[in-house]
Amino acid sequence: DGGITQSPKYLFRKEGQNVTLSCEQNLNHDAMYWYRQDPGQGLRLIYYSQIVNDFQKGDIAEGYSVSREKKESFPLTVTSAQKNPTAFYLCASSIDGTRATQETQYFGPGTRLLVL
Amino acid sequence: GNSVTQMEGPVTLSEEAFLTINCTYTATGYPSLFWYVQYPGEGLQLLLKATKADDKGSNKGFEATYRKETTSFHLEKGSVQVSDSAVYFCALTTSNTGKLIFGQGTTLQVKP
Repeated sequence: DGGITQSPKYLFRKEGQNVTLSCEQNLNHDAMYWYRQDPGQGLRLIYYSQIVNDFQKGDIAEGYSVSREKKESFPLTVTSAQKNPTAFYLCASSIDGTRATQETQYFGPGTRLLVL
Repeated sequence: GNSVTQMEGPVTLSEEAFLTINCTYTATGYPSLFWYVQYPGEGLQLLLKATKADDKGSNKGFEATYRKETTSFHLEKGSVQVSDSAVYFCALTTSNTGKLIFGQGTTLQVKP
């Protein structure tokens, strides 16, 4: 079955540590996205990529970094510069990043990041 | 700027009751509108969408009509089940970036 996988399901970060969240899709989608969800709030866009080897900052990119070396993979690194990283992180993809207004985004199961 | 406003929750209903979750939006241009559902501990699933004015999206007994004159996209279901208990998010896109702008979510609790 095609879909989006995120790992790990839970991740613990120590002070000053960088951590990387994995996102893989086998849907052959061009566009991929990272969102952050805080309790009782909607999702906010961190980074997005419409094509391999290209990505753009979203609304809350500070303290995060991404790469898009392969079509199926879009890992997110939470750096030590992100002072409030505790949240639920969701990865999504859509078939065509250039017609994205009408395209459905499909979401992975999420990774919950907690600070020790 | 673009934004989405949903009714505050939680919404608590008895099984087989009628459901309405209000959603209004502010957007430039011609947005596409979406309803997503999130079950506890999971990611989001698309419930339905509408891409132009007067379109009605429907799925699993849920419906929403894109009303440009009232800038609304209210979610309705005629008879809810316990299994419908979840958080419902209204969202829109307006640009070719595919950026989804979400409302804050509405928690629905259905009691047997």
